[in-house]
Amino acid sequence: DAKTTQPTSMDCAEGRAANLPCNHSTISGNEYVYWYRQIHSQGPQYIIHGLKNNETNEMASLIITEDRKSSTLILPHATLRDTAVYYCIVRALNSGNTPLVFGKGTRLSVIA
Amino acid sequence: NAGVMQNPRHLVRRRGQEARLRCSPMKGHSHVYWYRQLPEEGLKFMVYLQKENIIDESGMPKERFSAEFPKEGPSILRIQQVVRGDSAAYFCASSRRDRGLYEQYFGPGTRLTVT
Repeated sequence: DAKTTQPTSMDCAEGRAANLPCNHSTISGNEYVYWYRQIHSQGPQYIIHGLKNNETNEMASLIITEDRKSSTLILPHATLRDTAVYYCIVRALNSGNTPLVFGKGTRLSVIA
Repeated sequence: NAGVMQNPRHLVRRRGQEARLRCSPMKGHSHVYWYRQLPEEGLKFMVYLQKENIIDESGMPKERFSAEFPKEGPSILRIQQVVRGDSAAYFCASSRRDRGLYEQYFGPGTRLTVT
């Protein structure tokens, strides 16, 4: 699976959009971009995933650049409960149900 | 729909004792994964199981650690003769059986403390 690079930490004001970037410049054509987050002391939580089109669900939006070398996770109206470590993970379609490889992620602090 | 369940949530063991951690996957899920998170570190994969089969145990220490997922009942992660370095949060995740990529859903974790 391709390597990802994320900023170590970010701050965001409550109520504003949180934009979390991820670089995956070596991504292959059959690799998806997945986002998970881990709120302090809890199990990781699946957020969203995409291949090349932008995706949106009830939690977030995922914007993938046309060349697919980077992506941005957007939390449209961040709340204090969104404070967590956010992980960007790239996985190949033909890898089946393979384990997730977690990097260091981005520690997002939402500030009142 | 019940999520992934893990018990106990907290476990305290003295050095040399055995620790047994249990994981019940989500309904309809037949793939189980165990991950370990040492204090102030990221999550590391340990073992991947399907019913009655170990698919990938490349992340599991060769000694003292074992895992099973029987035909009936929860998946068990067993640590024999625990040492202080085994103190960590152990997370279980489950996913569906079909082909392709499916997201993994995590349980709340078991926090093991070895005294």
